[in-house]
Order: sequence, then C-alpha cells, then structure tokens
Amino acid sequence: KAGVTQTPRYLIKTRGQQVTLSCSPISGHRSVSWYQQTPGQGLQFLFEYFSETQRNKGNFPGRFSGRQFSNSRSEMNVSTLELGDSALYLCASSGGTFPTDTQYFGPGTRLTVL
Amino acid sequence: QKEVEQNSGPLSVPEGAIASLNCTYSDRVSQSFFWYRQYSGKSPELIMSIYSNGDKEDGRFTAQLNKASQYVSLLIRDSQPSDSATYLCAVNLGTGNQFYFGTGTSLTVIP
Repeated sequence: KAGVTQTPRYLIKTRGQQVTLSCSPISGHRSVSWYQQTPGQGLQFLFEYFSETQRNKGNFPGRFSGRQFSNSRSEMNVSTLELGDSALYLCASSGGTFPTDTQYFGPGTRLTVL
Repeated sequence: QKEVEQNSGPLSVPEGAIASLNCTYSDRVSQSFFWYRQYSGKSPELIMSIYSNGDKEDGRFTAQLNKASQYVSLLIRDSQPSDSATYLCAVNLGTGNQFYFGTGTSLTVIP
C-alpha cells in the first residue's frame, strides 16, 4: 500500500503571499490531519478533516485553513504569510475510528518564508 | 500546563543498554497513546500504540501505560546506534480524534 504523499516537498515564499499544500492519504483512510512542526514548538495540531468535514481544530489563526475532497485528498492553505510560518508542515492520515485510530505521517512540506 | 510533557533530554546510552523514555499527559479521559520516532530531517514514524494499562511489547520495544498516574513510557532494549533519534509521545485526547504531541526526547546510542 502506498504511503502518505505530500506535495510540494519544499517551498520558498515571501511575506504576504499565500501558499497551498497538498496531501494524499493512504488508500482507504478517510481522516487527514495537519501539523506544524518548528524547533521551538514541536508538533502542533492544526486541524483534522474526515469525510470532507473539519472535525477538529487546533489553536491557529484563521489564516490557516484547509479542505478535503471526496477522494480524501486534502489541501491546506496559509494566507498572508508571516516569517513565523516557516516550518515543516506534516500531514497524517488514519482510518478515523476513535479511539483506536493510528496516524501515519507523510514526508512533509518544508516551507520557508522570506 | 501542556497537554503532553516529555523530558527533552538529550538522553545518551551505550550500545546494548536499555533506554527509558517517559511521558506524562494532563487529560484524564485520554484513551489512546502512541510513540513515534523521528530521525533528523524526516517525518515521524510510528513505533507503538497502547490503549490499556500495563505493558505492551513489540520486539525490542515495550510501552507501559499507567492511566491512574497519567504516565506512559517506552523502553528500548539492546539499544542500537540506529535507534538514535527523537522520540515523540502522542496522546489522543478524549475530546475526539485530536492528537497532541510532546516536544520529544532526543536519544543518542553510543557505539
């Protein structure tokens, strides 16, 4: 079974721009979660989508948004980029069955904001 | 108070020794717990999950869960240099499918 894929793997943007990241989950998985990882804050939960609906949301500003398509692929958008948005953005997929759900991570997208 | 706390280390152990990694969590209704390993520049990879009090063994790895003490640990027996990585504890809080991660413990296994 193919793993979680994320595109692009690397991005360089400037402040004020917006960016869209894409995630394709493991076949059959209906839940996609997004995380931001920085050296100082570690892995922070952004949001989770399940069956095209946002099911859980972390404590990030509204500049961070996402969506999920009918094939479970998900996109994450960050608008009005700030220097502090530079991070590794990780997508994780799972079957979505709480509480025994297990998340599997993609390789991540490294975003650099200049 | 952070939801999940880990000793950031670094933790160094000689090759062949037992490495012990610890994690505490704040939400008493948390039901599922996970250990991930992350090599530098890579994404986290799942090592083990545990849902019930007690021990769960998988090869050289043993996860221990004590819900009364809100404590989960990971033991790595016969540590190898290839085990050198950051180990992340994750908890699925009782509010739904929402995972919280500790900041990770850096482990170095010295040949």
